[in-house]
Formats: sequence, structure tokens, C-alpha cells
Amino acid sequence: DGGITQSPKYLFRKEGQNVTLSCEQNLNHDAMYWYRQDPGQGLRLIYYSQIVNDFQKGDIAEGYSVSREKKESFPLTVTSAQKNPTAFYLCASRPHLRTEAFFGQGTRLTVV
Amino acid sequence: AQKVTQAQTEISVVEKEDVTLDCVYETRDTTYYLFWYKQPPSGELVFLIRRNSFDEQNEISGRYSWNFQKSTSSFNFTITASQVVDSAVYFCAHALSNDYKLSFGAGTTVTVRA
Repeated sequence: DGGITQSPKYLFRKEGQNVTLSCEQNLNHDAMYWYRQDPGQGLRLIYYSQIVNDFQKGDIAEGYSVSREKKESFPLTVTSAQKNPTAFYLCASRPHLRTEAFFGQGTRLTVV
Repeated sequence: AQKVTQAQTEISVVEKEDVTLDCVYETRDTTYYLFWYKQPPSGELVFLIRRNSFDEQNEISGRYSWNFQKSTSSFNFTITASQVVDSAVYFCAHALSNDYKLSFGAGTTVTVRA
């Protein structure tokens, strides 16, 4: 089945450790996005990529890093520099010449 | 910068009641897009609808309808004859035509009681 897969669904890490969240899509979409969701707030854009080997910072990129080596993959690393990393992370992709994005099921990261 | 405001934090209704979700946006651009997404308890955002800034026609899809008014910068969403399965968080979002980055409102939690 085609879709956007985020793994794992739940992730626990100790403070000070880097952690990488996986996002894979087999929809042949060009653009991919990472959003962060905190309770009672809307989604905020962390990073986005319009094409392979290119990505741009979103509104809250500090403490995060990404790569886009393959069209289908857009992993997000939450570094120890991110001061408040506990949140729900959503990955999305958008096909070329379309405006709407489609989302994965999310990864809930808890840092203790 | 774009801003999307969903003033209603939570709405609770009894099944079969209608519910209207408000969305007000701010933008300086003439070409933009507006969206509604549904987030059920599972967490995934489900795309519901997209409207272009140059198309103010209202739209109906089953029990869902949308009212877009540029004069008041609003894009409201109505669920008619609500059902328990409509219980979710609903997000309104805005995007520009040059990058399609979504700017989201804070969301409205809808609870439909049987």
C-alpha cells in the first residue's frame, strides 16, 4: 500500500542524547515536511525539502537537523541542543503541482 | 507573515446536532490556499478540503460544508447531523502559492456525545 510511514510510533530517550525519527514515503512525492505538535497548539514547521539533496529551515529549526539523500526518505534528528524535545512529530509529503500535503501517523517522542 | 486563528478551543455537541468551526486568517498575499484537516485520536492528520483564494464558491461534501468569505477572511467548516465518529481535532491551515508551507491554527477539539 502507498503511504507515509513514520517509525517508531513511540520513542523514549534520555536527556542529552540525539535521536533520529524516520519518515519514508512510497508515493513518489517531491516535497516532504516535518512538523512538531505540542498540546493545545497547532503544528509548527521544523524543516522542509522540495527536492532531493535540498532542504530549508522552517519556523522552529533550532536543535534539529535533517537530510534528503533519497526522494522517499526524510529523517529528522533531534539533537541535544533542542531544549524541549518532548512532543508529537508529524511528517508530511506533497506531490508535485499539488497544494495539499498528506501526513504520516506521527512519532511521539518523550525525553526523560 | 501568515496567521490562522481558530478561536474555539473545544466544542461539545450531542449526536445529530450541527457544529460550525470558525477559522480566520491573515495574509498580505493575493494568491493563497486554505485547508481543513481532521486529526482523530490515532494522531494522523487527514486532509479534508482545499480552497484557492480566487474561488469563493462554497462546497458541500456529504455532511461537511465549507463557507469561504474573503471579505471577512474566514473559512468556516460545518458538520451537519454530527456523529460520534466526527469526534476529533480539526485544524484550519493556510499556504502561499510560492512554497505551499502550511501555517496551522491551534485547532478545535470537537466531541460528539451519543
